[in-house]
Amino acid sequence: EVQVVQSGAEVKKPGESLKISCEGSGYRFSTYWIGWVRQMPGKGPELMGIIYPGDSDTRYSPSFQGQVTISADKSISTAYLQWSSLKASDSAMYYCARQAHYYDPYFDYWGQGTLVTVSS
Amino acid sequence: QSALTQPASVSGSPGQSITISCTGTSSDVGTYNYVSWYQQHPGKAPKLMIYDVTDRPSGVSNRFSGSKSGNTASLTISGLQAEDEADYYCSSKTSSSTLSVFGTGTKVTVL
Repeated sequence: EVQVVQSGAEVKKPGESLKISCEGSGYRFSTYWIGWVRQMPGKGPELMGIIYPGDSDTRYSPSFQGQVTISADKSISTAYLQWSSLKASDSAMYYCARQAHYYDPYFDYWGQGTLVTVSS
Repeated sequence: QSALTQPASVSGSPGQSITISCTGTSSDVGTYNYVSWYQQHPGKAPKLMIYDVTDRPSGVSNRFSGSKSGNTASLTISGLQAEDEADYYCSSKTSSSTLSVFGTGTKVTVL
């Protein structure tokens, strides 16, 4: 059974760093792209970027380029989303999801979400 | 890259059919047959309902169907049920560097 499991909710202060994780199981993790999706309260999903764990090829959406870092460790079937200096505006729900194909970018399995709250 | 445009809300009575539109441009919906639809219940992760414009993943009810004409894709829910009340988002491959873009979302209410 394919599963995507994310790390738990985080509460941080502005300026702090954060790394959240996304572990895939039940499939060959290194051969599927993983996407990170931001969803702000009451808003639609926004694709932040995708990574191919096999070789760590990473693509960022223009709005998120330079704002976050996406990485992966294929040896433990885990992808990461990282901030070096959080802002209050980073408060949101973050989902990771498996992208079925690079050229056909639908997401077939989703994690449960990680709620990030940034507040002083 | 702008989000695809969806109506904010659509409603229907149990048993009826409703259709949600998703309007893009010639850079996304109009060019690629890579439109997908997601259902999201409050506090839950999105769930894939339709991919490649018309295909349903295993386990998704055949009451859900998709179509496309020009720059507009559509999701139809037939035989509307109470459990269909949720937010629905479309998504499309795009020629820009974002790879895919989501829609603005539609809240479906079962009256």
